Amino acid sequence: AQSVTQLGSHVSVSEGALVLLRCNYSSSVPPYLFWYVQYPNQGLQLLLKYTTGATLVKGINGFEAEFKKSETSFHLTKPSAHMSDAAEYFCAVSEGGSNYKLTFGKGTLLTVNP
Amino acid sequence: KAGVTQTPRYLIKTRGQQVTLSCSPISGHRSVSWYQQTPGQGLQFLFEYFSETQRNKGNFPGRFSGRQFSNSRSEMNVSTLELGDSALYLCASSELDQTGELFFGEGSRLTVL
Repeated sequence: AQSVTQLGSHVSVSEGALVLLRCNYSSSVPPYLFWYVQYPNQGLQLLLKYTTGATLVKGINGFEAEFKKSETSFHLTKPSAHMSDAAEYFCAVSEGGSNYKLTFGKGTLLTVNP
Repeated sequence: KAGVTQTPRYLIKTRGQQVTLSCSPISGHRSVSWYQQTPGQGLQFLFEYFSETQRNKGNFPGRFSGRQFSNSRSEMNVSTLELGDSALYLCASSELDQTGELFFGEGSRLTVL
């Protein structure tokens, strides 16, 4: 069975500071990994995904994540936070193939202070 | 392409009633999934449909059901509503790219009084 752990339900940073949101996963097969963002009263929007190949994945809005198999981690980073980054972020894992089910972490609420 | 469309966006029901939510996937997407999002439990998988067949089901009681039509549109139904069913219900579609990437709608927010 797959599982996702997001460390820190709430992260607060200053505008311009580094954003680091942590995600660790458990999967019995090579995983596909995703980060989604959710703004208030909206659905989930894909930020980036890891499938195979390059372990450093670049996404939208300046975010990137690095897949580290030895650490079973897929942490999300952004060098400089912007006020518009304030939202809830979800890490998710999929086994792929014909199993179209994502297992999500509990989410991390990012607050950006001026 | 238009995104995933869910209707209604907001609805209020009372305990014991039933509700039907609708989802139109992105054109060409044949897989539709449903998730329940609550503050306490987070995002939980309800079920997934492909070609009008339920392929996967989450751990929810039988009061939660769904179906998919030949045009890939999907509905989910919750009968005998309980207060704990208050949640954001998210529909997602997939183009079967082997990675499991899902495209989400904006959700239907159900409040049960």
